[in-house]
Amino acid sequence: SQQGEEDPQALSIQEGENATMNCSYKTSINNLQWYRQNSGRGLVHLILIRSNEREKHSGRLRVTLDTSKKSSSLLITASRAADTASYFCATKAGGGNKLTFGTGTQLKVEL
Amino acid sequence: GAVVSQHPSRVICKSGTSVKIECRSLDFQATTMFWYRQFPKQSLMLMATSNEGSKATYEQGVEKDKFLINHASLTLSTLTVTSAHPEDSSFYICSARSVGEGYTFGSGTRLTVV
Repeated sequence: SQQGEEDPQALSIQEGENATMNCSYKTSINNLQWYRQNSGRGLVHLILIRSNEREKHSGRLRVTLDTSKKSSSLLITASRAADTASYFCATKAGGGNKLTFGTGTQLKVEL
Repeated sequence: GAVVSQHPSRVICKSGTSVKIECRSLDFQATTMFWYRQFPKQSLMLMATSNEGSKATYEQGVEKDKFLINHASLTLSTLTVTSAHPEDSSFYICSARSVGEGYTFGSGTRLTVV
């Protein structure tokens, strides 16, 4: 399977704390994307990092990419209860259109 | 921003019947659409990729006669689950993309076969 692995599978934190999720993948990539999915809903694109970038920020999100280790991390700072969702990394390789999704991290932010 | 509308959001059908799920790009032309299947608390598994006006490309292990995909226009793709069985119960999500643009996902369809 080409699917990437994410850890942790589940993460429970208190509001205001930071949440870090990690993603590992198997093949060379063009870019890596992070998506959010609320329960029973579709996916919302959060951030894209290209293979020649090492770090990217968007609001409370910080993404890093280490192509030598084939890994990425997503940091959500000052988490809120509304951040409760599943988070998936997805990679795009070669000239194709396909996205390959990681196994996902279920984040729960408690008040 | 780009919006993809997916209908229905929920459907319950009897075993042996067929169900059609629609995926529409509302404000852009989608040259490529993707159909995913997702089991509870699991990741998205790509079922097939469809380009407008051509036959869909199915992933290994996906029965093309069971999951019929039609991408008749640049704004509409449909997935028909034929002769549905309880094991077909799942969450189905479509995604659409135009050339050089990102991926926009529909809100998903919860299919329950009884």
